[in-house]
Amino acid sequence: KAGVTQTPRYLIKTRGQQVTLSCSPISGHRSVSWYQQTPGQGLQFLFEYFSETQRNKGNFPGRFSGRQFSNSRSEMNVSTLELGDSALYLCASSEAASNTGELFFGEGSRLTVL
Amino acid sequence: DQQVKQNSPSLSVQEGRISILNCDYTNSMFDYFLWYKKYPAEGPTFLISISSIKDKNEDGRFTVFLNKSAKHLSLHIVPSQPGDSAVYFCAAKGSAGNQFYFGTGTSLTVIP
Repeated sequence: KAGVTQTPRYLIKTRGQQVTLSCSPISGHRSVSWYQQTPGQGLQFLFEYFSETQRNKGNFPGRFSGRQFSNSRSEMNVSTLELGDSALYLCASSEAASNTGELFFGEGSRLTVL
Repeated sequence: DQQVKQNSPSLSVQEGRISILNCDYTNSMFDYFLWYKKYPAEGPTFLISISSIKDKNEDGRFTVFLNKSAKHLSLHIVPSQPGDSAVYFCAAKGSAGNQFYFGTGTSLTVIP
């Protein structure tokens, strides 16, 4: 089974631009979550999608948005980029709606905002 | 507000000895806890989990202990190996939804 695939792996943007990151979950996984990792902050939860619906949202401004498609692939978008948005963005998928299963992470998309 | 805390940013251990990584949480509604390992330029990989109905779970060299009254969990690695050198994150979630709360990580270095 292929793992979680995130594209692009690396990207550089300038302040004020917007960016779209893509995530393909493990086949059969319907839940997709996004996390932001910055030095000293650990992994901060952005949002979770299940069956094309956003079920949970973390404490991030409205500039951060996402969506999930019928094939469970997900995208997240960050508009009006700020320097502080520079981070590793991790996508994770899991099998069921709410379970005791673990998250399976992709390798992440490293965003640098100049 | 950080609901899951790892107060030791780094830990160095001699090969063959025990590594003990600690994690504290504040939310008493958390009932499922996990440890992840992360190498540079890779995503976190699942290591071991424990549900709140247990106080210990073992998997090979890895054992997780949960002390619910103290809201504390720890990961023991015995014996430690150089390949265990990585950043370790603990995570917790409640019974509703699929939102995990992660600590800030502990960087473990196992010295050969």
